Amino acid sequence: SQQGEEDPQALSIQEGENATMNCSYKTSINNLQWYRQNSGRGLVHLILIRSNEREKHSGRLRVTLDTSKKSSSLLITASRAADTASYFCATEVSGGSYIPTFGRGTSLIVHP
Amino acid sequence: NAGVTQTPKFRVLKTGQSMTLLCAQDMNHEYMYWYRQDPGMGLRLIHYSVGEGTTAKGEVPDGYNVSRLKKQNFLLGLESAAPSQTSVYFCASSPPGYNEQFFGPGTRLTVL
Repeated sequence: SQQGEEDPQALSIQEGENATMNCSYKTSINNLQWYRQNSGRGLVHLILIRSNEREKHSGRLRVTLDTSKKSSSLLITASRAADTASYFCATEVSGGSYIPTFGRGTSLIVHP
Repeated sequence: NAGVTQTPKFRVLKTGQSMTLLCAQDMNHEYMYWYRQDPGMGLRLIHYSVGEGTTAKGEVPDGYNVSRLKKQNFLLGLESAAPSQTSVYFCASSPPGYNEQFFGPGTRLTVL
């Protein structure tokens, strides 16, 4: 079973708008990562946030982590058509074996 | 650097046939992983390895075997393919500990 679950499953927006997707998980984690997957390609790492961090930025990406609510959000600002992809969160459980567990992903479509 | 490469990119098998998928990485990573990705299921871990000569089962190991004879290579074998093994297979590698994973481009396998 998935440790992390993304929400929504699908998101459709216009270019220039912001896109927000969420990840909820069940057990305590050491870190949470977000990945992007373009159609037919492998996953690409976007950002890692550790359990003692609350917010991280990377370019147009902003990730927040709320360990009390066991949730994270990924915000893409000023989206572009090239941001069209699936986005996955991956969690590494505290006291675990450093093996991340992936959610089912959010499919983002950005219309030009 | 080539990163993570997978061979072959596509394959069609008949039920009962066997095959081996090869994953190679040139980043000197200790950890390597095999995932399968099915529509609506996200990525599920099949087997992983935390170092040369070691392997461990993931979430969905049945019907698969793996070997890590060399640090840079991780092989995934299907001894008797079944239609349920039709999927896209991804290999990944990472340094030890809580770190990002680097993914290969995937192998699309169809079992008839």
